[in-house]
Amino acid sequence: GEDVEQSLFLSVREGDSSVINCTYTDSSSTYLYWYKQEPGAGLQLLTYIFSNMDMKQDQRLTVLLNKKDKHLSLRIADTQTGDSAIYFCAETPPGYSTLTFGKGTMLLVSP
Amino acid sequence: DSGVTQTPKHLITATGQRVTLRCSPRSGDLSVYWYQQSLDQGLQFLIQYYNGEERAKGNILERFSAQQFPDLHSELNLSSLELGDSALYFCASSVGTGLDEQYFGPGTRLTVT
Repeated sequence: GEDVEQSLFLSVREGDSSVINCTYTDSSSTYLYWYKQEPGAGLQLLTYIFSNMDMKQDQRLTVLLNKKDKHLSLRIADTQTGDSAIYFCAETPPGYSTLTFGKGTMLLVSP
Repeated sequence: DSGVTQTPKHLITATGQRVTLRCSPRSGDLSVYWYQQSLDQGLQFLIQYYNGEERAKGNILERFSAQQFPDLHSELNLSSLELGDSALYFCASSVGTGLDEQYFGPGTRLTVT
């Protein structure tokens, strides 16, 4: 079966880099995603990576994919207090467009 | 603002009751997805509709049902409510059935007392 796991909490200081990790079990996943949820808000797609890629960079965000270890990470450079939120890793099973989410990592950025 | 609207924002009801949650997708989006977010289960996919037809089913209880209307808005019906149904229910929409970006609404918070 499919399962996505994340650490629950990460605390960093403003200006530092944050790295949020995720492991998944469905090796046939097509796309892997990172979503952000701010308090009282819905989910916002941050970035995604196709399963045949190793890395994707988008401004302050870097996604690394290790397909052999089924490990996905999101690095946020120069983390700001506005980055404080819950970050969800998600995958799509092949042939579907539905999302399987991890439990989310709460990122707390202190000044 | 994602362009996806959900009503109501909050709903408080008693066990055994039935409620209807409503979602209007972004203009032009044909797919609607429902997700449930609870403390113990996390964020789980419930069901997807595409252009009025059920497309995919996830961990949706038999007490729950959904439909998508000709104007593409969708309703999620929850009946015989239990305390454990208390959760945040999100609707998302996308253009089609492929790997298009899903845009999430702000959610409906359901509290069952």
